[in-house]
Amino acid sequence: SAVISQKPSRDICQRGTSLTIQCQVDSQVTMMFWYRQQPGQSLTLIATANQGSEATYESGFVIDKFPISRPNLTFSTLTVSNMSPEDSSIYLCSLGGRETQYFGPGTRLLVL
Amino acid sequence: GQQLNQSPQSMFIQEGEDVSMNCTSSSIFNTWLWYKQDPGEGPVLLIALYKAGELTSNGRLTAQFGITRKDSFLNISASIPSDVGIYFCAGTQGGSEKLVFGKGMKLTVNP
Repeated sequence: SAVISQKPSRDICQRGTSLTIQCQVDSQVTMMFWYRQQPGQSLTLIATANQGSEATYESGFVIDKFPISRPNLTFSTLTVSNMSPEDSSIYLCSLGGRETQYFGPGTRLLVL
Repeated sequence: GQQLNQSPQSMFIQEGEDVSMNCTSSSIFNTWLWYKQDPGEGPVLLIALYKAGELTSNGRLTAQFGITRKDSFLNISASIPSDVGIYFCAGTQGGSEKLVFGKGMKLTVNP
């Protein structure tokens, strides 16, 4: 399976600010996904990011709050905008498709 | 949206014991995946299932894709302390690539 890295691994941010999370893969992949895992909870899909097209967002997530970039087949970013304490979560990128998905190590975000 | 019902929510077992967990759904899934998440890490894929009735093993882990395509189970035999973590089931439906996750089962293994 591909090696997936995320930056930063963790951060503490002030409310009202924005944080951009990077996801880097060591091979070219078509489909990348961004998930949120709130404390003690399961994973929830934020959006699907395909290279060359706009991200597709799930219900409850909007582009203004979680803008995503996918400039090439090995890289994607997720920005958490105008953060509030409710955004404190683990944010994970994944790659794959309907038969399997592999996850990055996650970015642990705490918003004060 | 569609959710998976995963049970039990947590288990406390002694080292060497077997443990079983399952996921059910009210609708059909095409793929069942089982993940383990250690503290501070992303989920790691343990087993993937693609056909109804399929039984697959990975070391001490065995998982089955239910014949109705609405459920799956994961068994861990002869548990060891490093089995501690949170186990998630996940699946895809239809032609979608979107994973639907269960709520997870927290496993504690007492040495």
